Amino acid sequence: GAVVSQHPSWVICKSGTSVKIECRSLDFQATTMFWYRQFPKQSLMLMATSNEGSKATYEQGVEKDKFLINHASLTLSTLTVTSAHPEDSSFYICSVADSWTQYFGPGTRLLVL
Amino acid sequence: AQSVTQLGSHVSVSEGALVLLRCNYSSSVPPYLFWYVQYPNQGLQLLLKYTSAATLVKGINGFEAEFKKSETSFHLTKPSAHMSDAAEYFCAVSGNNNDMRFGAGTRLTVKP
Repeated sequence: GAVVSQHPSWVICKSGTSVKIECRSLDFQATTMFWYRQFPKQSLMLMATSNEGSKATYEQGVEKDKFLINHASLTLSTLTVTSAHPEDSSFYICSVADSWTQYFGPGTRLLVL
Repeated sequence: AQSVTQLGSHVSVSEGALVLLRCNYSSSVPPYLFWYVQYPNQGLQLLLKYTSAATLVKGINGFEAEFKKSETSFHLTKPSAHMSDAAEYFCAVSGNNNDMRFGAGTRLTVKP
């Protein structure tokens, strides 16, 4: 399966700042990537579908102006949390899709103080 | 719309005992079904998947799952639990558009 990396694995920031999380597909050209967030002891919640060369598709209730997604190449998608607040603290996970199967990155833990 | 329901948020077994994690699905189209495992502070690792081939699917680490259309089930089993199997397990369903929906997860505890 596809190998996916995320950077950074941990980030702590002050409230009001912006944070960028990178998701890289290391061995697979991914036209579609997905971004999820996961709260402690809960399942994954799909935030948005990232499409290479076009605008991302956001799930209902996810603020697209707050969670900016850019999928500029077949191997890189970025999620920028703008003006982060403590309630944005969560575990963010990306995935790439290959023949109906998703392969996940290791996740990024965001803590907003 | 597709969905999965995992029965039991927490399952505890003794080392060497049978592991059975239950998953039922709902889908208006032939589903693709998956089991993933998540260790603390890590992403999800694919254990196995059903994509309309053999109904009994074998995965990594000795796990297997059987697709039963009549029961709309895709339960995960392992004959003999190992301490390293302790983790969170997610069942997921996907359709033709790669839109994947996850169950709530089942935490597996393995007692020595």
